[in-house]
Amino acid sequence: QVQLKESGPGLVQPSQTLSLTCTVSGFSLTSNSVHWVRQPPGKGLEWVGAIWSGGSTDYNSALKSRLSISRDTSKSQVFLKMNSLQTEDTAIYFCTRGGHTAFAYWGQGTLVTVSS
Amino acid sequence: DIQMTQSPSFLSASVGERVTLSCKASQNINKYLDWYQQKLGEAPKLLIYNTNNLHTGIPSRFSGSGSGTDYTLTISSLQPEDVATYFCLQRNSWPLTFGSGTKLEIK
Repeated sequence: QVQLKESGPGLVQPSQTLSLTCTVSGFSLTSNSVHWVRQPPGKGLEWVGAIWSGGSTDYNSALKSRLSISRDTSKSQVFLKMNSLQTEDTAIYFCTRGGHTAFAYWGQGTLVTVSS
Repeated sequence: DIQMTQSPSFLSASVGERVTLSCKASQNINKYLDWYQQKLGEAPKLLIYNTNNLHTGIPSRFSGSGSGTDYTLTISSLQPEDVATYFCLQRNSWPLTFGSGTKLEIK
């Protein structure tokens, strides 16, 4: 069955770089896109970016200058890197599989807190 | 960027009541509108995609409609397990944008 699972540091200091991994199973990264969505505690959802089945990427324009999404298809992993983190980047980060039926599969999310 | 405005932001209704949630886009999104349900502490769950397509396993009391800039999620008979926050998402153009959500509670 399709599964996604996020992993990451939990706590990041301001101005540092966030590195998250989304490990997927039950589908191929060369056949489906994977998107990142984040949610500040108690707030709404924000689309962060995506990596497509062919390897190209799209980013939220508000985050583009700080963001990089890549993948390792042999390990079924997608990576998110965001630099110059600020307290406003504190959020639950979800990865989700894209498709014609929208975002039908989601990871459980990982909380990232930006604090010194 | 396309702005998505959801209303109301909070709704309290009785079990068995018909409930309507609204999502309005700042420009035509060509029916590329999805609805998600999020319960406390959980990931969002897809309910409806492309305006009116019920996702697999979702109860038939949920339905969607709309076109152009105006879209609606209807719950025909509210159940206690429907307590959640509901978000719309437009996938017509980049960046994808979510509405701010409607929090639904039982009266």
